[in-house]
Amino acid sequence: NAGVTQTPKFRVLKTGQSMTLLCAQDMNHEYMYWYRQDPGMGLRLIHYSVGEGTTAKGEVPDGYNVSRLKKQNFLLGLESAAPSQTSVYFCASKNGGSSYNEQFFGPGTRLTVL
Amino acid sequence: GQNIDQPTEMTATEGAIVQINCTYQTSGFNGLFWYQQHAGEAPTFLSYNVLDGLEEKGRFSSFLSRSKGYSYLLLKELQMKDSASYLCAVSTVYNQGGKLIFGQGTELSVKP
Repeated sequence: NAGVTQTPKFRVLKTGQSMTLLCAQDMNHEYMYWYRQDPGMGLRLIHYSVGEGTTAKGEVPDGYNVSRLKKQNFLLGLESAAPSQTSVYFCASKNGGSSYNEQFFGPGTRLTVL
Repeated sequence: GQNIDQPTEMTATEGAIVQINCTYQTSGFNGLFWYQQHAGEAPTFLSYNVLDGLEEKGRFSSFLSRSKGYSYLLLKELQMKDSASYLCAVSTVYNQGGKLIFGQGTELSVKP
C-alpha cells in the first residue's frame, strides 16, 4: 500500500496563477482533509470531506476550493494564487466512524507563490 | 474560542526522559492525539487518549486529565532519532468528520 500520496512535491507559482494539488489514498478511507502548515502556526484545516461527493469548510478555507469526485482522490485548487498562500500543504485521510481512528498524512507539497 | 498550547522548543540529552506538555481550552472534547513530525516529513501518529490516565506504548507514554484540560507526552530513554516536532491535537466534536485542532508543535532537540 502506498498510503497517502500527494502530487506535486514542490511548486513555484506567480501571483495570480492557478493550480491544483492532488491527494490520493489507497486505504479506502471515508474522510479526507487538506491542511496548511506555516512556521509557528501548526497545522490548520482548509477543507475536508466525509465521503465521495461531499466537501466542507475548515478553519481557513478562503482562496481555496476542493472536490471529491472519487473516494480515493481529494483535489485542492487555488484559483488565483497569492503570496500569503506560500506554505506546506498536507493531505490526510482517516477511516470514518470511531473517534480513535488516527489521520494518516501524505508527504506534503511545498508551494511558493512569488 | 479554541486554544491549544504547547512549548515551542525543548532540549534534552540522549538517554534521558522528557515530558512535553499540552493544555487545551476547547468548546468540546472527544479525544486528544499526539503526532511526531520529523523535519521535512509528514506527521505520524503516536498516541490517542480519551479517558483520564496514562497510556503506555514502549518508550512513549501519554497522559490525559480532562478536568484540567491537560495532557503530556513522556519520552523515555531518549535517542537521537527522537529529535522532531511533537504535535498535540484535539478532536472537539463527536462525529463531525473527525476534525482535529492542532497546537503549534514542540520542537524537541536531543543532544549527545
